[in-house]
Amino acid sequence: GAVVSQHPSRVICKSGTSVKIECRSLDFQATTMFWYRQFPKKSLMLMATSNEGSKATYEQGVEKDKFLINHASLTLSTLTVTSAHPEDSSFYICSAVTGHSSYEQYFGPGTRLTVT
Amino acid sequence: AQRVTQPEKLLSVFKGAPVELKCNYSYSGSPELFWYVQYSRQRLQLLLRHISRESIKGFTADLNKGETSFHLKKPFAQEEDSAMYYCAPPLSFGAGTTVTVRA
Repeated sequence: GAVVSQHPSRVICKSGTSVKIECRSLDFQATTMFWYRQFPKKSLMLMATSNEGSKATYEQGVEKDKFLINHASLTLSTLTVTSAHPEDSSFYICSAVTGHSSYEQYFGPGTRLTVT
Repeated sequence: AQRVTQPEKLLSVFKGAPVELKCNYSYSGSPELFWYVQYSRQRLQLLLRHISRESIKGFTADLNKGETSFHLKKPFAQEEDSAMYYCAPPLSFGAGTTVTVRA
């Protein structure tokens, strides 16, 4: 149980366009999902906390107008990278918590974004 | 903020040798700590949580409040243990330790 999927797994887009990444909890309801960014050979950096039915909470230094997060249902959160630039190229990972343990996270496989 | 330090970026051991990955935390109160593992080409997954005091894949981790540590240990490393390991308080991650187990 506790499976999280992400779509797409890999996306290439042109500079200036927007890209949407989906994160789904497949067999449980996730009131809270998290979005991370991982640079090559680096640790994960929390970008934002996404709560179903409310506005996301962004970490310091993360532009909320740049990285739009929507958590419209208990099984789906989306991250939209708006007006993407090459420096936005990265590996984006989402996770979800089941609610049984506040911070035991189940991770998606990640999405590789390349902006050309 | 809850933070942890993983001092070793890389750790190489021989198969069958003991392995210990260090993790120190720097906040007061009752910490909630996890070890996550990421095998090559796989997603991050939970390995251990301190509250359960369980052993997974031969790994154990004991919370030492006196030393503010949560080191991960395995007495006999296996080649399949080669991976990236992260010590993590809620909502953040240590820098990670890459473990390579050599035959």
